[in-house]
Amino acid sequence: DADVTQTPRNRITKTGKRIMLECSQTKGHDRMYWYRQDPGLGLRLIYYSFDVKDINKGEISDGYSVSRQAQAKFSLSLESAIPNQTALYFCATSGTDYGYTFGSGTRLTVV
Amino acid sequence: AQSVTQLGSHVSVSEGALVLLRCNYSSSVPPYLFWYVQYPNQGLQLLLKYTSAATLVKGINGFEAEFKKSETSFHLTKPSAHMSDAAEYFCAVSDSAGGTSYGKLTFGQGTILTVHP
Repeated sequence: DADVTQTPRNRITKTGKRIMLECSQTKGHDRMYWYRQDPGLGLRLIYYSFDVKDINKGEISDGYSVSRQAQAKFSLSLESAIPNQTALYFCATSGTDYGYTFGSGTRLTVV
Repeated sequence: AQSVTQLGSHVSVSEGALVLLRCNYSSSVPPYLFWYVQYPNQGLQLLLKYTSAATLVKGINGFEAEFKKSETSFHLTKPSAHMSDAAEYFCAVSDSAGGTSYGKLTFGQGTILTVHP
């Protein structure tokens, strides 16, 4: 099994729908992150969590929310999806050695 | 606030030629620096990282990078390109302990490397 598992891998949804992207990790790390990748913009941080009770906004959190259900699980929600949220989404986890491990990504298309 | 600039969104080299991908950063505290590679339809894989030890860092697949504080640079090099090196490469920065961005990665825009025969 992968260290960081994201589900679903691909999703097409309609404008206005609520959607949840899920992430789980087996690294035993406290820190988890959600990033969004757009062509020519690199990866941008949406939300991050340094432990189960700690949730922080990243640089592009508007339109998104997160839930840290357990040390191993960190989900990202789009309450009302819009087309410009079409992107590739990555979950990541890191330990104190700055070893960031990324999931394989979720490709989200909002039509 | 920290930032990363990758010079050149596309770089093309011949197989066997030197690969040089440029990265400049800004950070208010000593930085930690990273290079990641992304192959088509895959996630990000760490190539190498600088966390205040030796300034010349060797990574996987023959890549290396040198931290130059005076130039605020962390350029990625490989002496001889291989066809399998074709991918997108990302430079990233994080603050060291004590910085406001400690533990968070800020990425550059990415550089697509093409290797032609």
